[in-house]
Amino acid sequence: EQQVQQSPASLVLQEAENAELQCSFSIFTNQVQWFYQRPGGRLVSLLYNPSGTKQSGRLTSTTVIKERRSSLHISSSQITDSGTYLCAFMGYKLTFGTGTSLLVDP
Amino acid sequence: EAAVTQSPRNKVTVTGGNVTLSCRQTNSHNYMYWYRQDTGHGLRLIHYSYGAGNLQIGDVPDGYKATRTTQEDFFLLLELASPSQTSLYFCASRGRDSAETLYFGSGTRLTVL
Repeated sequence: EQQVQQSPASLVLQEAENAELQCSFSIFTNQVQWFYQRPGGRLVSLLYNPSGTKQSGRLTSTTVIKERRSSLHISSSQITDSGTYLCAFMGYKLTFGTGTSLLVDP
Repeated sequence: EAAVTQSPRNKVTVTGGNVTLSCRQTNSHNYMYWYRQDTGHGLRLIHYSYGAGNLQIGDVPDGYKATRTTQEDFFLLLELASPSQTSLYFCASRGRDSAETLYFGSGTRLTVL
């Protein structure tokens, strides 16, 4: 069974600090996507990153296929960044990690 | 903007009851998915579909049926609901290419008493 592991499970930052979220896969994949979710809210796609480094605003994702991992870097965190970040293996059957819960304090 | 609409937003039923959760997408997407989300388990795939009339089994299908009646509509059926099916249910859709954005609905919170 395909599995996705995320770390850390939770993270608390002070506003303006940077965050580094990790995702590892049980298989080799070049189909990685990162999502954001507010508590009880819908998931919103942040980045699709099959390999290498992709950036969107303050978000930077790096995927290393041969190491079966992907990371999401959030720079200059803001209070509104608080929520859960999930990574997923995007094949014909989507598999999600359990997420990293981020809290950004003022 | 692509849209996925789920109904109802909240549902309370009793053990043994019948429940139908609805999902409609207006994105002309081929793929549609039903997930449940529970604390400690993350998102788990129940059923998914490649198109109208197609149904594929996900990772946690027991106790659930699904039907894709049209390109737009995907239903999740609980024919004998149990308390273990109390959860937050999400529907999602995307196009053929796995690089395409996955769009989620707002979720249905189901409580089985």
